[in-house]
Amino acid sequence: DQQVKQNSPSLSVQEGRISILNCDYTNSMFDYFLWYKKYPAEGPTFLISISSIKDKNEDGRFTVFLNKSAKHLSLHIVPSQPGDSAVYFCAASAKNSGYALNFGKGTSLLVTP
Amino acid sequence: GEEVAQTPKHLVRGEGQKAKLYCAPIKGHSYVFWYQQVLKNEFKFLISFQNENVFDETGMPKERFSAKCLPNSPCSLEIQATKLEDSAVYFCASSPQQGGYEKLFFGSGTQLSVL
Repeated sequence: DQQVKQNSPSLSVQEGRISILNCDYTNSMFDYFLWYKKYPAEGPTFLISISSIKDKNEDGRFTVFLNKSAKHLSLHIVPSQPGDSAVYFCAASAKNSGYALNFGKGTSLLVTP
Repeated sequence: GEEVAQTPKHLVRGEGQKAKLYCAPIKGHSYVFWYQQVLKNEFKFLISFQNENVFDETGMPKERFSAKCLPNSPCSLEIQATKLEDSAVYFCASSPQQGGYEKLFFGSGTQLSVL
């Protein structure tokens, strides 16, 4: 039973434009959300996170928005750069879950020059 | 070291054979996690350790999978009698004792192919 869903397997965006990656979750106990970026043959690397007490967190070109009532979060990348081309995984955790993360299936982002 | 080191990078086993994967966490990190990624899909949590103690093993298929983190040794994940569906990339991650998810660092994974 997949509790974190990324319904878009891929996304193509032109350089300089905004990339919006979406993520939905089903478990209302989730209280911490993260985005990881993954290049081929490498492990995921942490990108940005948000706690359930917030609805927005910003770090440079990356902003994560959380809509708890809709159980939805999104990652915005502005402006998109070719180096952002990677697979982006959404992950979530519930309090007292022992740091175990529930991951989505990922969205492959391609930023074209 | 400053990175999570996983060995081997690739491992090929015949169905029914044993597979053993290793992970050296970042020095000073007390938490170690194992995740399984099948067919480039989502990561499935297997098990976590706090130092040498099992912290959470809710994701482990207990019949054939076992894991250890012993002092002064790399952590290991062992699969007895591998099956075709065990083919996946196995990622290890480590985190400092007081660190949160932002300090969860992943290794580059071990690709296990069961033929």
